[in-house]
Amino acid sequence: GNSVTQMEGPVTLSEEAFLTINCTYTATGYPSLFWYVQYPGEGLQLLLKATKADDKGSNKGFEATYRKETTSFHLEKGSVQVSDSAVYFCALNTGGFKTIFGAGTRLFVKA
Amino acid sequence: NAGVTQTPKFRILKIGQSMTLQCAQDMNHNYMYWYRQDPGMGLKLIYYSVGAGITDKGEVPNGYNVSRSTTEDFPLRLELAAPSQTSVYFCASTLRGPLDSPLHFGNGTRLTVT
Repeated sequence: GNSVTQMEGPVTLSEEAFLTINCTYTATGYPSLFWYVQYPGEGLQLLLKATKADDKGSNKGFEATYRKETTSFHLEKGSVQVSDSAVYFCALNTGGFKTIFGAGTRLFVKA
Repeated sequence: NAGVTQTPKFRILKIGQSMTLQCAQDMNHNYMYWYRQDPGMGLKLIYYSVGAGITDKGEVPNGYNVSRSTTEDFPLRLELAAPSQTSVYFCASTLRGPLDSPLHFGNGTRLTVT
């Protein structure tokens, strides 16, 4: 079946460090891929998405590229801030009503 | 602009008790969803609805019921609470299907069953 695997956290970085959170997926067909972010005490919110191979999603300095050959959608940011501390979820949808989420990766950014 | 509103924020239930988790959205979204989030796991879909009067099961529907009498409201009912239902519950909505529209989540209800 369809699944999403994310790197385990927590990830702890200093401010202005480079961030990578790995995400790989297994899916039949051609899924759309998403990154959602959950700030403390809040619900998830969409950070970025990509709908086909080689698409790059970007938002708020975060980027992720849909790599079909490696079935990956790694999240990157060049310079993290304390305000980026949150839980990040990789997700996919193949066209139905069920969006498949990874387990989430908690990011701590120290000043 | 409230978005998706869930109540209560926290609740502790005893085994066998029942309760209703409330969810309301003011964005005129047709599609609504209930997810549960367990520690170290991704979100699992419990039930969803594509419009008033229409509901369907997701991945983990056992022990839950839903209704959708209006576009705005999508309550989730637990009839006989069990410890396995200890979780954080999120309600979400989309304008169209989730492939085409981002999921808008509420802030969650943390439920403990003891």
